Amino acid sequence: GAVVSQHPSRVICKSGTSVKIECRSLDFQATTMFWYRQFPKQSLMLMATSNEGSKATYEQGVEKDKFLINHASLTLSTLTVTSAHPEDSSFYICSARDLTSGGSSPLHFGNGTRLTVT
Amino acid sequence: KQEVTQIPAALSVPEGENLVLNCSFTDSAIYNLQWFRQDPGKGLTSLLLIQSSQREQTSGRLNASLDKSSGRSTLYIAASQPGDSATYLCAVNGGATNKLIFGTGTLLAVQP
Repeated sequence: GAVVSQHPSRVICKSGTSVKIECRSLDFQATTMFWYRQFPKQSLMLMATSNEGSKATYEQGVEKDKFLINHASLTLSTLTVTSAHPEDSSFYICSARDLTSGGSSPLHFGNGTRLTVT
Repeated sequence: KQEVTQIPAALSVPEGENLVLNCSFTDSAIYNLQWFRQDPGKGLTSLLLIQSSQREQTSGRLNASLDKSSGRSTLYIAASQPGDSATYLCAVNGGATNKLIFGTGTLLAVQP
């Protein structure tokens, strides 16, 4: 089945530093990937839609200059949390859909990245 | 704006029981609905996907139904097992952008 690999699975960084999270579709191509954020005991909130070869589309309230998204190829999207602060500590999850399957196929999710900012 | 709600928020049942998880959504104009399982600190595992034209989908002990007009979906788990313990999330796809809007989740504990 379709596999989405997310790396790293866990990262701890100091306040003010930047952290990059990678999301790769291992056995399929995806023109669109989605980045979600999940606070403890809460559901997933969509942050942005990552579009291959163009700018990401951010949801209302998400700072695009803080959460930089790059989708340079059909199999890789990256999320960079810039100048991280403790309130950015959260669980970040990416997802992707097989380009050839269209909108009727299920989204596949990575295993998530636990970010802790000290 | 689409809102997705799941009831109950938490559920504890003895092993072997059949159970139903509920999901409701405010905008019936959906493309499809997907049920996921999430284990603590982990990503999401897709369980079932129901297209807007379908009434139900089955996979093993799981059965998901969809009543689009009333904005409801249910996930039926038969003969529950301790390994079913997890958080179950439903998510609706509005179609235009293929974005998923997630429900609040149901934390299920199956007691051995």
